[in-house]
Amino acid sequence: DAKTTQPPSMDCAEGRAANLPCNHSTISGNEYVYWYRQIHSQGPQYIIHGLKNNETNEMASLIITEDRKSSTLILPHATLRDTAVYYCIVRDNTDKLIFGTGTRLQVFP
Amino acid sequence: DTAVSQTPKYLVTQMGNDKSIKCEQNLGHDTMYWYKQDSKKFLKIMFSYNNKELIINETVPNRFSPKSPDKAHLNLHINSLELGDSAVYFCASSQALAANEQFFGPGTRLTVL
Repeated sequence: DAKTTQPPSMDCAEGRAANLPCNHSTISGNEYVYWYRQIHSQGPQYIIHGLKNNETNEMASLIITEDRKSSTLILPHATLRDTAVYYCIVRDNTDKLIFGTGTRLQVFP
Repeated sequence: DTAVSQTPKYLVTQMGNDKSIKCEQNLGHDTMYWYKQDSKKFLKIMFSYNNKELIINETVPNRFSPKSPDKAHLNLHINSLELGDSAVYFCASSQALAANEQFFGPGTRLTVL
């Protein structure tokens, strides 16, 4: 079972920052937080991951709370093409990605 | 330059038939996976292979048999198809076991009538 809780849906205006929250209160010390997204009718796409420090790449930023029980994915300037289902995944050092129900982000003009 | 490709994209078949879905990756990765996404959009891992060896088998029925002829290919053969097998099947690959990023294919939509 997925070890994360996410809101089922969110809206964001184009050009604004999209902040997607994720709760993972049972995360253990060796588990990473991963984010993937799935644009309609496509395969999932990796976005970012982190352990305890905040991370940033060309797609997004990941903010992890100090107690590591929650995190936020930030898309700094959302575009219409960012409309997708965003999955927050807690993963140990195995191969398994256990997807939950995700957050459906709708970016509107 | 398709990284992970799957064929066919759509597959419609009758109950009881046997069918195969093919997956190829041109990324030079060692590890490949099959995932199933059902009608409620839950995405679950089925199998993973590393260097042609089975690593993960998530209690998938024996009717599902993955075959990896080489590192670049992981095919999924399904015997005696059932209505509940209708889903979108995604192939993925990663550079190595537990690599950070998995690259997913476009999916194969299987409909069993």
